[in-house]
Parts: sequence; C-alpha cells; structure tokens
Amino acid sequence: GNSVTQMEGPVTLSEEAFLTINCTYTATGYPSLFWYVQYPGEGLQLLLKATKADDKGSNKGFEATYRKETTSFHLEKGSVQVSDSAVYFCARRSNDYKLSFGAGTTVTVRA
Amino acid sequence: GAVVSQHPSRVICKSGTSVKIECRSLDFQATTMFWYRQFPKQSLMLMATSNEGSKATYEQGVEKDKFLINHASLTLSTLTVTSAHPEDSSFYICSARSIEYSYTFGSGTRLTVV
Repeated sequence: GNSVTQMEGPVTLSEEAFLTINCTYTATGYPSLFWYVQYPGEGLQLLLKATKADDKGSNKGFEATYRKETTSFHLEKGSVQVSDSAVYFCARRSNDYKLSFGAGTTVTVRA
Repeated sequence: GAVVSQHPSRVICKSGTSVKIECRSLDFQATTMFWYRQFPKQSLMLMATSNEGSKATYEQGVEKDKFLINHASLTLSTLTVTSAHPEDSSFYICSARSIEYSYTFGSGTRLTVV
C-alpha cells in the first residue's frame, strides 16, 4: 500500500485564511520527509523538508514539523495568498532513495 | 540553485511512432535520475530509476521494452516511449538526485498520442 497518506482535496480558501494539509507516513526508521508544490502544467518544486524527528521545515510562510510519535508531517500556513493556489504533495524518501508521494491536495485561494 | 531541464515540454505524435524525452541537470551532476508518470489530477507514479552507465531499474508493471531509459552521462537521461499508443498519453516528469541538492524535478513533458 501507499506509504504516504495525504488529506485529499480540493481545498478552497479565502485569502489570509489558515491552511493545513494533513500528511501521515508509514516507515521503518526515520525517513526524510518532503513537501512539494506543483503549479499547473509544471513539474514539482521543493517547498520544504525535514530529515529527522522534531525537525521543522519552513519556506515562504509554510511550515511542517516531523512528528515521530504520530508519524505525521502536516503542512501549515497562517495566511494564504492567491499565489499559493497549487497542488501540494507530501513525500517520504525510502532507504533506496526513492520518493513515495501522497495523492496530492489541490488548494485554491480566492481573493 | 539546481536546475533540471526537461525537453520537450509538449509533444504530439502519431500512434505507432516513438518519442524521446530528455532530462538534463544543468549545473550539477546527478547521481541518480528518476522518471515518473502522472495522470490527470493524480499523484506521481515512479516508472524507473537510472544511474549513469548502468541499466535502469523499472518498477513493477512498467514495460521495459516500451519505456527505454538511457543514462549516458551524469547530466543526461533520456526516456523513449516506443511504438506509442493513445494510452501512453500522459505527463512525464524526471527528477535528478544529487548529494548537494537532494531532488530536483524537471518541468514535465505532456505527451499526446493521436
């Protein structure tokens, strides 16, 4: 089965609203965890990452904390903008350096 | 920063023909390159992993003879879709891994087989 479970969307928000996208993973050990963002018709861009338990990744106002006890890596942003409209993917890296992706969450921010 | 150039961005081909997609790491050497396929509104499905100078490792269910991967140098990998059919139409994305930059993705190729 899929080793990354991600909250499914779509999610629609108003500007300046709080965004959270849940992500949980299954793994042995402590895999590196990532959040990627995909804009329409483009590839993936790394948004943030965390490589060990309790690490907090942050970028462009987004944050995610590596929670070992709940095997989670939820993405949050306190005040979204229209430009944050995109598809967000949670991912974990396995020991053979392959990335496993969640299903993706489409976020639409309205002005 | 790390940049991966993927070309072409869009291609339309006739059924039965072959299409080659290139993936280049422009300013770094990639230890490994990955090829993904993405269906509309779905996640990325890993097709294969390739290391420079060795044969690609394909994921279960991916036809090796249909999706030919060549990784001739540390900066270039190619995916050739042979004898393409309409069901091969999809969005193909490459990713290059390096120690310094982790994973860097290309901008994707939209393949349409008519």
